[in-house]
Parts: sequence; C-alpha cells; structure tokens
Amino acid sequence: AQSVTQLGSHVSVSEGALVLLRCNYSSSVPPYLFWYVQYPNQGLQLLLKYTTGATLVKGINGFEAEFKKSETSFHLTKPSAHMSDAAEYFCAVSAGGTSYGKLTFGQGTILTVHP
Amino acid sequence: DTAVSQTPKYLVTQMGNDKSIKCEQNLGHDTMYWYKQDSKKFLKIMFSYNNKELIINETVPNRFSPKSPDKAHLNLHINSLELGDSAVYFCASSRDSGNTIYFGEGSWLTVV
Repeated sequence: AQSVTQLGSHVSVSEGALVLLRCNYSSSVPPYLFWYVQYPNQGLQLLLKYTTGATLVKGINGFEAEFKKSETSFHLTKPSAHMSDAAEYFCAVSAGGTSYGKLTFGQGTILTVHP
Repeated sequence: DTAVSQTPKYLVTQMGNDKSIKCEQNLGHDTMYWYKQDSKKFLKIMFSYNNKELIINETVPNRFSPKSPDKAHLNLHINSLELGDSAVYFCASSRDSGNTIYFGEGSWLTVV
C-alpha cells in the first residue's frame, strides 16, 4: 500500500524567493513519484516524475525534485518563484509497473506568490 | 488538439437524475481512468480500464458504471445522483498501467 503526506496545506512566498513544497511517502515497493500542478478550475498537469535512475529530476517551469529514499521524501523546489506559479500542487505515488495506474495523491499544497 | 478531452465541463443537475460524462483520448494509450476530486480537493481513483477491460474498481457505488466502447473512450454513467456525488471528475490515460498518467480538464458536477 502507498500513502503520501504533503507538509503544509498552504505555502506563501515572495516573488523571486525559493519555493519548497514538501512531500513524504510510504510504499511497500519501489515507488514511482510524481508532482502535478492544478491551476484554478483546470485539470492536472504533470510537472515531473521519478521512476528509476537519477534521483534529481527536472521538470517544466523550472521545478525540480529530489528522491531521497532514506528520508522517504520527494520535495519540490524552484529557485525563484514567479507570480504564475501560484496554484495547487499535488504529490503522488504509485507502485510502478505493478500499480495498474493507481496513483495515490497527497492532500495538496496551495502555493501563493506575493509581489 | 486536446490529448484527453471530457464533456461536459460543467454539469448542474437535480438529485435522482441520471447523467453521463464522456471521455476521449487521442494519445493512442491503452489504459484509461476515472478519478474523483472531492470538495476538499482530495483526489482518488475510481476506475481503471486496460484495453477496454476493467482493472481497478475502488469500491465505488454501483450507481457509477463506466463503459469503454473502445480503447480511446471511457464514459462514466451515474444513476440516481445524490448530493454527495458533487465533485470534479477527471478522466485520464496512460500508455500502459505503469506509465505517466495524463489528465483531462475535469468535469465539475453539482447535484442540487
């Protein structure tokens, strides 16, 4: 079974500041990990994913995340926030090839960016 | 072209009605899904179909009946709608069951 915990339901940063959204997971098998973004009244857009290989993965819009097995974490970062980054972000985990596509999502983190 | 498209985007209906949400993907994927996002933004899988066969049914009430006429379509029919069915329903697809899942824009269902 898999589960995801996103620490902080709301994160607020100033434009140009570092963005850090925290995600911890639990999984009984090697996990596949994902970050999705949802803008108001829109669908989910994939930001980045980790399956195997390099633990630092880069995604769209300047975001990246690092898979740390020892910490069971997959935190999302961006060096410099932009106003357009304001959205809700979801971390998700699956059991990889055995998951039949079942993603388990965290509860989401709303990112607010102040001028 | 929208990769995963679902219609309608917004639907307001009365309790007890029957409604359908249609979904089509033009990505050539073999696997399609329905996810539900509740009022607290919690996302959970409802169904998964691979090559038109049901793979996952996450203890969804049998008022919900998915139908996959072909690999590119997965429609969701809901009978006897209840207030608690109000949510955003997302259709999604992937190349196979272990790969990245691509989501549609969502269908906002409000039951009054």
